[in-house]
Amino acid sequence: DAKTTQPPSMDCAEGRAANLPCNHSTISGNEYVYWYRQIHSQGPQYIIHGLKNNETNEMASLIITEDRKSSTLILPHATLRDTAVYYCIVIGGGTSYGKLTFGQGTILTVHP
Amino acid sequence: DSGVTQTPKHLITATGQRVTLRCSPRSGDLSVYWYQQSLDQGLQFLIHYYNGEERAKGNILERFSAQQFPDLHSELNLSSLELGDSALYFCASSRDRDRVREQYFGPGTRLTVT
Repeated sequence: DAKTTQPPSMDCAEGRAANLPCNHSTISGNEYVYWYRQIHSQGPQYIIHGLKNNETNEMASLIITEDRKSSTLILPHATLRDTAVYYCIVIGGGTSYGKLTFGQGTILTVHP
Repeated sequence: DSGVTQTPKHLITATGQRVTLRCSPRSGDLSVYWYQQSLDQGLQFLIHYYNGEERAKGNILERFSAQQFPDLHSELNLSSLELGDSALYFCASSRDRDRVREQYFGPGTRLTVT
């Protein structure tokens, strides 16, 4: 699986958009980009995933660059409850199917 | 609420003991995954079962074992416990065996070994 690089921490004001970047320059053609988050000591929560195209759901939007070497998770109107560790995971192919490898993630702090 | 349940929520036991953690997947999900999260290691994949069969193993110690039963619930057995086994243990479930799918995590079991 491709390795990902995320900033260790970010801040965001409540009500503003939170844009979390992820670099995955070694991603291969059949690998997906997945985003999860973990609110303190709770189980990780699936947010969104994509392959090539931008994706949007009720929680967030995912923007993947045309070369697929980086992506951005966008929380359009961040709330205090969005304070969490956000993990960008690239997965696909071979025996890694189904296995999630979590890196260090980005600690997002939403402040009033 | 993800629909995945784990029991117990908290477990305190002594070194050398054996414990069993239980996980019930979401309705309709055939895959169960176990993860360990300790302070210094982050989230580590342990093992994956699909419809009763082991599919993949991660960094699971020989002292640990798991199984998935015909009703699809899974148990993680930890034996000869050491202080370093203190951690949060999560299970997750998903529909598919091999294809990439989102996994739904339970609330976890916090194990403290004293």
